[in-house]
Amino acid sequence: NAGVMQNPRHLVRRRGQEARLRCSPMKGHSHVYWYRQLPEEGLKFMVYLQKENIIDESGMPKERFSAEFPKEGPSILRIQQVVRGDSAAYFCASSPRTWSSDTNSPLHFGNGTRLTVT
Amino acid sequence: KQEVTQIPAALSVPEGENLVLNCSFTDSAIYNLQWFRQDPGKGLTSLLLIQSSQREQTSGRLNASLDKSSGRSTLYIAASQPGDSATYLCAVSPGAQKLVFGQGTRLTINP
Repeated sequence: NAGVMQNPRHLVRRRGQEARLRCSPMKGHSHVYWYRQLPEEGLKFMVYLQKENIIDESGMPKERFSAEFPKEGPSILRIQQVVRGDSAAYFCASSPRTWSSDTNSPLHFGNGTRLTVT
Repeated sequence: KQEVTQIPAALSVPEGENLVLNCSFTDSAIYNLQWFRQDPGKGLTSLLLIQSSQREQTSGRLNASLDKSSGRSTLYIAASQPGDSATYLCAVSPGAQKLVFGQGTRLTINP
């Protein structure tokens, strides 16, 4: 059972270009979460999606960032017109169901996509 | 607003020592607390998850405790090995399907 798969592992973009980051959740998982780790900072929640629905995007920057999780295919985090401050590691996690206080299921993370904006 | 603090930020110890990593959080209303390991340039590996109703969890040489009332958790590593060198992250789930992470403790085990 493959884990959470993210690609590409490394992505270099020039300022003003678009970055598209992909995340395939673990098999059977229909809940996807995106986190960002800026240099020398902790991981910060960005967005939580279920199939075809954005449930919580409270951590997403208001402009240039969008996320989707279509019925078929991976979840996509899209950053338009990238700037140097977008350089970070972007991690995706997945879970099989909505978390509750009863679940013992940890959140499974992918290896991340390291975005460098030049 | 939930905040998570990890102390120390970095720790270097000789191989074989037992050690404790500390994590504190400001709001005791949590669903669970997780400890992760992150190797340089890699993703996160979940080590232990403690539900809010539990006091501790153990896995091999690792033991994590949770004291919700005081807002603290500790990760105890017994008989440390060079392969334990990594950054250890503590994260709490305040509900609403998200985790709030600490900044991590960078651990180095010297042979």
